[in-house]
Amino acid sequence: AQSVSQHNHHVILSEAASLELGCNYSYGGTVNLFWYVQYPGQHLQLLLKYFSGDPLVKGIKGFEAEFIKSKFSFNLRKPSVQWSDTAEYFCAVNAYNNAGNMLTFGGGTRLMVKP
Amino acid sequence: DVKVTQSSRYLVKRTGEKVFLECVQDMDHENMFWYRQDPGLGLRLIYFSYDVKMKEKGDIPEGYSVSREKKERFSLILESASTNQTSMYLCASTSGQETQYFGPGTRLLVL
Repeated sequence: AQSVSQHNHHVILSEAASLELGCNYSYGGTVNLFWYVQYPGQHLQLLLKYFSGDPLVKGIKGFEAEFIKSKFSFNLRKPSVQWSDTAEYFCAVNAYNNAGNMLTFGGGTRLMVKP
Repeated sequence: DVKVTQSSRYLVKRTGEKVFLECVQDMDHENMFWYRQDPGLGLRLIYFSYDVKMKEKGDIPEGYSVSREKKERFSLILESASTNQTSMYLCASTSGQETQYFGPGTRLLVL
């Protein structure tokens, strides 16, 4: 069975600081990888996804993530955070299988950006 | 735009009550999912359905059941609510291996 771990549960940054949120998964086969974001009081939204091709993926709002297959990692980055990036971020993995499109989520990382 | 709606944003129930959480999607997606979201645990899959009348257990199905009588509607049922089922419940839908789209969530409090 696959599992996803996010290294930090809470991150506090000042505006303009750089962000990197770690995500590691355990599954030996082909995977699709996702980062979702949940702003306070809002739905979960897709930030970016990786299916194949260039391992550096660019998403919305200046976020990017890099898939490093050898490290089973898909870390999320943003060079300069804004107060509006305050949210909870979830990494998710979808392993190719016959059981439908099942996602396994990490425990989430709460980011607070101080103005 | 895909729209996934859930019948209630907030719900308060008593221990032992039967609880129905409804989810409707308008994009003709085959696959629908119910998750619960708890602090520090992320989202955990309760049940999913890949077709009408088809259902599969997720990671934490105990204490829950589901119903998918129509393609657009996927219901989560708590037969006898317990306090440890107090949580945020999220419904999602997708077609194939693509992105899952989430509803706004139902925050359930069981007293």
